[in-house]
Parts: sequence; C-alpha cells; structure tokens
Amino acid sequence: DADVTQTPRNRITKTGKRIMLECSQTKGHDRMYWYRQDPGLGLRLIYYSFDVKDINKGEISDGYSVSRQAQAKFSLSLESAIPNQTALYFCATARGLSTDTQYFGPGTRLTVL
Amino acid sequence: AQKVTQAQTEISVVEKEDVTLDCVYETRDTTYYLFWYKQPPSGELVFLIRRNSFDEQNEISGRYSWNFQKSTSSFNFTITASQVVDSAVYFCALSEVGANNLFFGTGTRLTVIP
Repeated sequence: DADVTQTPRNRITKTGKRIMLECSQTKGHDRMYWYRQDPGLGLRLIYYSFDVKDINKGEISDGYSVSRQAQAKFSLSLESAIPNQTALYFCATARGLSTDTQYFGPGTRLTVL
Repeated sequence: AQKVTQAQTEISVVEKEDVTLDCVYETRDTTYYLFWYKQPPSGELVFLIRRNSFDEQNEISGRYSWNFQKSTSSFNFTITASQVVDSAVYFCALSEVGANNLFFGTGTRLTVIP
C-alpha cells in the first residue's frame, strides 16, 4: 500500500461548489504539506502543518483552507471553487525538519468548470 | 527572484544517448539541501536524491549521476544510456534551513525516443 494517499484522484466540479481533498499517510511523519502544480509553474505551497496544532499559510493560501484531523490526515478545502483553481494538487509529508525529504502522494487532478 | 532555475523546458533524445538536465539555484544560506524529483506521465512525484550543501561529491546511482558545484550554484543531473522509461518531467528543488517549503524549478520535460 502507498505511504501517502490522496482522495479523490480526479474531480470535476462547478464554480461556487465546496470541495474537499483528503490526504492520509502511514509514514508517521509530523509535517504535512499541500501544493498545487500548474503547467510551466512548478509546484507552489498552499498550506503546511508541523503537527495537529500547528497550521501555516504558504505562498498561495487565498481561497483555500485546511484541517489537520490527526497526525496522519490533512485535508484541503476549496470553500467556493473557481476556474483558476483547476490544477493538480499534491499532498506531501516529511519528518521533523524543514530540510527533510518530502514524500508526495499521487496527486488529485481537479477541474473547476 | 527565482530560487531554482531549470532553463531547459523540453529535451528530446534518442534511446541510449546520455542526457544532462541543468539546475541552477540561488540562496544566501550556507546550509541548504538540493533535491531532484521525477514526474512520469502517470503524474506522481518520485523522489530521486537529496544532497546537502556541504557534500560536493558527485553521486552515482545506476544510470543516474548528479554533479553538484557550489562555485557555479549548479546541481545537474545526468542520465546515461537513456531509456524510454526515463521519459518524464524532472524537477530540481531547494530547501533552506528554517524555510518551510521546497522551492521548485519549473521542470524539464525529457522525451526519450525509441
């Protein structure tokens, strides 16, 4: 079984809808991250969490919110989806240091119509 | 300013050729880490290597090798005897001590033609 899983893997939704992307990990890592990938832009950080009680905004947090339900679970929500949030979303995990290797989930392809 | 630059947007090679993917980074930190990830057509991101700023030895893993040169702020990745399965987008990334995310380059799409 994969160490980092994301659900759903693909989602098509309409403008204005609320949507949640979920991430689970079995690596026992403290740190979890949400990134989005857009063509030609690489990956950009949305939110990150050091533990259940510590959540921080990343480079592009506007329009997104997160919840760290447990050490192993980190969810990303789009409260009111808009078309420019169409992207590939990745969850990642790492151990305790900012320079530890981040391990990525398989990604969620989100399309907002 | 872009912290990680991958100037090669797309590269095509014929199978069995060697290919080098360039990565130039920018940081004021003396301690930092560099990474390479592979994104095959299936979309997942696969970790390839992590290298700290104090270790300038080149590393070889099978057909893969990495050349780290602090003098030119580069961390280049060479695939020897390329194979079709090497076709993917490759990302270089930088992590600074105290920073909270990876700074990714924009990626290089490698196509290996059979």
